[in-house]
Amino acid sequence: NAGVMQNPRHLVRRRGQEARLRCSPMKGHSHVYWYRQLPEEGLKFMVYLQKENIIDESGMPKERFSAEFPKEGPSILRIQQVVRGDSAAYFCASSPGGSNQPQHFGDGTRLSIL
Amino acid sequence: GENVGLHLPTLSVQEGDNSIINCAYSNSASDYFIWYKQESGKGPQFIIDIRSNMDKRQGQRVTVLLNKTVKHLSLQIAATQPGDSAVYFCAVNAGNNRKLIWGLGTSLAVNP
Repeated sequence: NAGVMQNPRHLVRRRGQEARLRCSPMKGHSHVYWYRQLPEEGLKFMVYLQKENIIDESGMPKERFSAEFPKEGPSILRIQQVVRGDSAAYFCASSPGGSNQPQHFGDGTRLSIL
Repeated sequence: GENVGLHLPTLSVQEGDNSIINCAYSNSASDYFIWYKQESGKGPQFIIDIRSNMDKRQGQRVTVLLNKTVKHLSLQIAATQPGDSAVYFCAVNAGNNRKLIWGLGTSLAVNP
């Protein structure tokens, strides 16, 4: 079984550009989570989605950030007009659903802003 | 809000010894707890989980202990091997919400 697939693994953008991060969940998983990690820190929750629905976006900045998980295709985390402070590793996780099930993670996208 | 912390930022052990990594949490409504291992350049890897109706769970060479009274959990690794070197995170659910609150991580170094 393929695990959670994220691409690209590394993404370089200049300030003001847009960044699109993609996440394909594990087969059979309909719940997707996005987290952000700064060096030497734990992960910070951003958003939780099910197919075509945002369930919890309490950790996502209100401006410039958006996420979607369409009926077909991967989940997308989109950052508009990137700034230096957006530089981080962004991790996606998926779970099959139901309460209290482990989330399985991809290897992340490392975003660098020049 | 939830606070999840680890007692030691780094832990150095000799190969073959047992390792114990600790974690404290603050939300008494949390009922699901997970330990993850993260190697450099990779995503967190699930190790073991425990629900609040249990106080101990064992896996292969790992044991998680949960003390709800003092809101503390620990990860024990038996016969630590060089391949166990990584950063270990505890993650706690925020009550009924499925989002996970993460600790800062403990870096485990295994000396040969």
